[in-house]
Amino acid sequence: NAGVTQTPKFQVLKTGQSMTLQCAQDMNHNSMYWYRQDPGMGLRLIYYSASEGTTDKGEVPNGYNVSRLNKREFSLRLESAAPSQTSVYFCASSENRNEAFFGQGTRLTVV
Amino acid sequence: RKEVEQDPGPFNVPEGATVAFNCTYSNSASQSFFWYRQDCRKEPKLLMSVYSSGNEDGRFTAQLNRASQYISLLIRDSKLSDSATYLCVVNNQAGTALIFGKGTTLSVSS
Repeated sequence: NAGVTQTPKFQVLKTGQSMTLQCAQDMNHNSMYWYRQDPGMGLRLIYYSASEGTTDKGEVPNGYNVSRLNKREFSLRLESAAPSQTSVYFCASSENRNEAFFGQGTRLTVV
Repeated sequence: RKEVEQDPGPFNVPEGATVAFNCTYSNSASQSFFWYRQDCRKEPKLLMSVYSSGNEDGRFTAQLNRASQYISLLIRDSKLSDSATYLCVVNNQAGTALIFGKGTTLSVSS
C-alpha cells in the first residue's frame, strides 16, 4: 500500500525556473494538503484541497499555485522559483477530520 | 495569537524519565486534535489522536482541555528511541485543514 507518493524527492533549481511537485494518494481521501517545513518554522500550510475541484489558500500561498487534477492527485507549481522557496515540501492527505498521512517529502534548493 | 503554540524545547531527559509537552490552540471551534512525531529528515507520522476524555497508548497519555484550549502529551519511562520532534496538530476554523505547531524537540540520553 503506497499511501502518499511525492515526486521528485530532491530538486535543485536556478532562480526564476519553474517546476511542478507531484503528489498522489491511493487511500481515496477527499482532502489533500501541501506544507513547507523550514528550520525553526515548523510545518506551514501552503494550499489545501478539501475535495476534488476545490482549492484554498493556507498560511503561505504566495509564489505557488496548485491543481487538484482528480481525487488522487494534487500538484504544487512554482512559476518562478526564488531562494526563499528553498525548503522541504510535504504533501499529505486525510479523510474528513481524521489523521493526515504524509509523503516522504521533496527537498528543494533554489540557487 | 498563533493558531497552535508549543514550547520548542529542547527537552533533554535521561532514560526512564517522565516528560510532558503542552500545546495551546486559538480556535475554540476546533474538533480534531492530534500528536504527531517527526524524526530527523523524515515525514511526520501520527503518534496518537487526542479525545475529550483523554486517552492512553502504552507509555503515552494525551489530554484535552477544551475550556482552556490546551492539549498535553505525557511520556512515561522515556526510551532512547523516543528522541524526536513532537508536533501538536489542530484542525482549522472551517474544519478543512490541519494546522501544525512548530514542534517540541525531545532528546533522551542514556
